[in-house]
Order: sequence, then C-alpha cells, then structure tokens
Amino acid sequence: DAGVTQSPTHLIKTRGQQVTLRCSPKSGHDTVSWYQQALGQGPQFIFQYYEEEERQRGNFPDRFSGHQFPNYSSELNVNALLLGDSALYLCASSYGYGYTFGSGTRLTVV
Amino acid sequence: GQQLNQSPQSMFIQEGEDVSMNCTSSSIFNTWLWYKQDPGEGPVLLIALYKAGELTSNGRLTAQFGITRKDSFLNISASIPSDVGIYFCAGRWDNYGQNFVFGPGTRLSVLP
Repeated sequence: DAGVTQSPTHLIKTRGQQVTLRCSPKSGHDTVSWYQQALGQGPQFIFQYYEEEERQRGNFPDRFSGHQFPNYSSELNVNALLLGDSALYLCASSYGYGYTFGSGTRLTVV
Repeated sequence: GQQLNQSPQSMFIQEGEDVSMNCTSSSIFNTWLWYKQDPGEGPVLLIALYKAGELTSNGRLTAQFGITRKDSFLNISASIPSDVGIYFCAGRWDNYGQNFVFGPGTRLSVLP
C-alpha cells in the first residue's frame, strides 16, 4: 500500500517564476495538508484541503494557492517565487486521526 | 500564533543511554503527536496522545500528555544508532480539521 507520494522530489526555479507541486494521498485518506519546512526548522502549516475545498489556512500570502481533485490528490502552487520560498514542502494526508507525511519536494529558488 | 518550544535543541548521548526531551506551549492543546525525521525524508509519526495525563509506549519510546495540556514528554530507552535524527512534537488545539503546529525539533546524536 503506497503511502503519500509527492512529485517532483527536487526542483530549482528562478525568482519570479511559478511552481506547482503535486501530492497523492495515502489510500483511504481524504484530507490533504501542506507544510513548508525551512532548513533547521519545524514544518509550518500552509493550508488544508478537504472535499476539494480549502478548509484551513496558515499565515501564508495569497501567492500560495492549492487545489484538491476528486480523487483526493492535491496541488500546491506558488506564484512570484522569492528566494525565501526555498524549503522542503511536505504534504500530509489524513483520515480521522491518521496523519501521514510524504518525503517532500525540495524547492530551491535562485 | 500558536508556538511550541522544544528542549533540548540538540543532544549527544552514548549508545545504550536513555533520552528525555520535552515540548511546551503557552496554550492548551487537545492532541499531541511526536514525529522523527531523517535527513531528506518527511516526518514519521512515532506516538499520538489524545488525553491529558495519557502515557503511551511504542517499543522503546514512551510519551506523555502533560496534565496541564500545555506540555508533552518523550523518552527513549536504551538508545541505538538508528535513533539518530530530529524529533518534532506537534500539537493541535481544535478538533475540527487536522491543523497541527510543530515545534522546532530536538536533534539527537548517538555516539557508539
């Protein structure tokens, strides 16, 4: 049974560009949350999707947007990339109390 | 916003020693989770706590939900080299949705 799958694993983008990260949740999970983890820090909550709607949002600007599809997979979009957006982006899926993380996408903005 | 503090920030121990770390918050949480993260990987759930005072074990790991609901503790007994990594606590204060706030982590190094 596959866990949470994220793609791509690594990405290098130029400042000002846009990026899309993808997440396939664990089988049976219907809720997807996205976290940003800067180097040496704990994950910071970006937003959560349930039933294709954004249910909760952390303290992140509107440049960060997302989407959830009918099959529960999700995308995270970041526009107008800044150098400070360089981080590991983690997707976590859940159903009830279960909360499973993917291995993340390492985004580097140059 | 909500913030968690973890201590110690880092620790070096000898293989076989016991380890204790804790997580504190200025706010009450309803759920505590403890995760371990290896380099280049996402966090892996170790233990989940849902009730104040609860003590839960997972092999050599034991975690407790503080009675004040503002802290949690993780103990590792008889440490082994594969215990090396960063340990994060995460807390949730609402029961709607699954939004957790994470601490900054405790980095554990085990010397052979």
